[in-house]
Amino acid sequence: QITLNESGPTMVKPTQTLTLTCTFSGFSLNTGGVGVGWIRQPPGKALEWLALIYGNDHKRYTPSLKSRLTITKDTSKNQVVLAVTNVDPVDTATYYCAHSGTMLGYFGPWGQGTLVTVSS
Amino acid sequence: EIVMTQSPATLSVSPGERATLSCRASKTVGNSVAWYQHKPGQAPRLLIFGASTRATGIPARFSGSGSGTEFTLTISSLQSDDFAIYYCQQFYNWPPLTFGQGTRLEIK
Repeated sequence: QITLNESGPTMVKPTQTLTLTCTFSGFSLNTGGVGVGWIRQPPGKALEWLALIYGNDHKRYTPSLKSRLTITKDTSKNQVVLAVTNVDPVDTATYYCAHSGTMLGYFGPWGQGTLVTVSS
Repeated sequence: EIVMTQSPATLSVSPGERATLSCRASKTVGNSVAWYQHKPGQAPRLLIFGASTRATGIPARFSGSGSGTEFTLTISSLQSDDFAIYYCQQFYNWPPLTFGQGTRLEIK
């Protein structure tokens, strides 16, 4: 059974770097066709895809935020980390990580999500 | 960037009836569309990928259809557990992967 769990701060201040960790089980992220992605949802808004990393360490980012995002993996810990630099209140959202079983770009299953508030 | 537009924003349907949700892509996406179900406070769940293939464990009352720019998610004989928000997503031309704004399916 595949499970994913997001962890990180619940609140960060503007201009700080937000670091989120996705800890997963039930699969290994050392296979090229398998990946983990990050998706966020601001309150009352739609889902927004952020980044995706594959077992072969290939990484893809949403172009509008690419300069602020870094996704990495630690296969020994079964973790994927997303860093978001220079956060702003508009980055307030529930952040989800999700498994991608192919290179195609859809996700399942997902973690429960973690709400992050950006406020001074 | 491919924009996915879902309609209606809210759909009110009685239990036992059929629900039809629509998703339109701003450019052709072939059959590279996925559908997700999302309930408040829960993890989104993959229902359909490749426009019409049910994900593992998804009941047969969920079906997807369409290709090109027009897609439909149909839920036959709605059950109480089906009332949620549904999102479509394209994975044809990315980055970025893009989602629709969602359709809220509520009990009539």
